Amino acid sequence: AQSVTQLDSQVPVFEEAPVELRCNYSSSVSVYLFWYVQYPNQGLQLLLKYLSGSTLVKGINGFEAEFNKSQTSFHLRKPSVHISDTAEYFCGHQGGSEKLVFGKGTKLTVNP
Amino acid sequence: GAGVSQSPRYKVAKRGQDVALRCDPISGHVSLFWYQQALGQGPEFLTYFQNEAQLDKSGLPSDRFFAERPEGSVSTLKIQRTQQEDSAVYLCASSLGDWGRGTDTQYFGPGTRLTVL
Repeated sequence: AQSVTQLDSQVPVFEEAPVELRCNYSSSVSVYLFWYVQYPNQGLQLLLKYLSGSTLVKGINGFEAEFNKSQTSFHLRKPSVHISDTAEYFCGHQGGSEKLVFGKGTKLTVNP
Repeated sequence: GAGVSQSPRYKVAKRGQDVALRCDPISGHVSLFWYQQALGQGPEFLTYFQNEAQLDKSGLPSDRFFAERPEGSVSTLKIQRTQQEDSAVYLCASSLGDWGRGTDTQYFGPGTRLTVL
């Protein structure tokens, strides 16, 4: 069965510092990977997705992620965070025609 | 443009009551998904519709959970005889094509927070 592991449940960081949110997925033949952001009392919003091609994926709000097949990872990065990036981030994995499976989430808190 | 909407946004039910949660997907979207998000967890798949056909209900936790999408647009998730463990946020998502293709982005609604007392 598919699984997604988000290694950090909480990540505190100061404003304008870089951040990396880690995600590992279980290997499968077809790999579609996603990062979603969830602000308080809102639904999930897609940040970026990897379907195929370039392993470096750029998304909205200055976020990017790198697909690493050998390490089965899809870590999310941002070189300089803002207070408004405070939210919960979910990594998702869909293997081919399987259902979309999410990790438990990482709460990013950006402090002034 | 209008996104996915859900109603009610908050629902409090006494244990044993029946509840109905509504989802209005983006117009024209073929696929509709329901997820359950328990406190401190990621969303977990419940069920999937392609138009009016319920093609996968493997994630429904018990036979107390029932979902329908009779005309291929609005969907309702019904929970009968609610239990405390049903307390969660129920998220609805829709996508343009059929879910077999991971290329289709799922667009999520704001969710319904169900609290069972």
